[in-house]
Amino acid sequence: QQQVKQSPQSLIVQKGGISIINCAYENTAFDYFPWYQQFPGKGPALLIAIRPDVSEKKEGRFTISFNKSAKQFSLHIMDSQPGDSATYFCAASKGGTASKLTFGTGTRLQVTL
Amino acid sequence: NAGVMQNPRHLVRRRGQEARLRCSPMKGHSHVYWYRQLPEEGLKFMVYLQKENIIDESGMPKERFSAEFPKEGPSILRIQQVVRGDSAAYFCASSPDGYSPLHFGNGTRLTVT
Repeated sequence: QQQVKQSPQSLIVQKGGISIINCAYENTAFDYFPWYQQFPGKGPALLIAIRPDVSEKKEGRFTISFNKSAKQFSLHIMDSQPGDSATYFCAASKGGTASKLTFGTGTRLQVTL
Repeated sequence: NAGVMQNPRHLVRRRGQEARLRCSPMKGHSHVYWYRQLPEEGLKFMVYLQKENIIDESGMPKERFSAEFPKEGPSILRIQQVVRGDSAAYFCASSPDGYSPLHFGNGTRLTVT
């Protein structure tokens, strides 16, 4: 079974702090690793994604760190804001496609004032 | 510039009834994916369709579930003889080419009473 394991299940961070969410995968054929953000009542929205030819990708306050040998990747949210409070899903796919995704179980992030 | 449109947003069915979920992909997108999200879980792939073709239905339950994406009109996910375990959020996503990142709709929340 292709799996992506995500932790923690929930996370509380103070405003201005760093939020870190981790994912681990098993299938070495995975070659695309996106993170999705989901607000209540909405569909997931692509936040940032990485392919295994780089170890880190940064877009604004969001950074993906990728460790190919450990088969792990993580999302770092710098200067976390209350508006970042949402559920975050990591995912993975293979075959060069960004479309058929295997999702992690999600992390519910709450950023407090 | 409409995104992926799903309807209805909420659907209540009694056990044994049929549920029909509709999805109109983004303009210019001919690849449609259906995912199911159970409470407190990540999204699970169900089926991948292109116009008039089912490309991958490896995530579809073998019985009661079917999907189509006709030449004209929206994609339809049909669940016959619904059971309480079918209660979930069903998300549709689309892609222009089967490789680019997915754009998700806001989902249909099915409740079976």
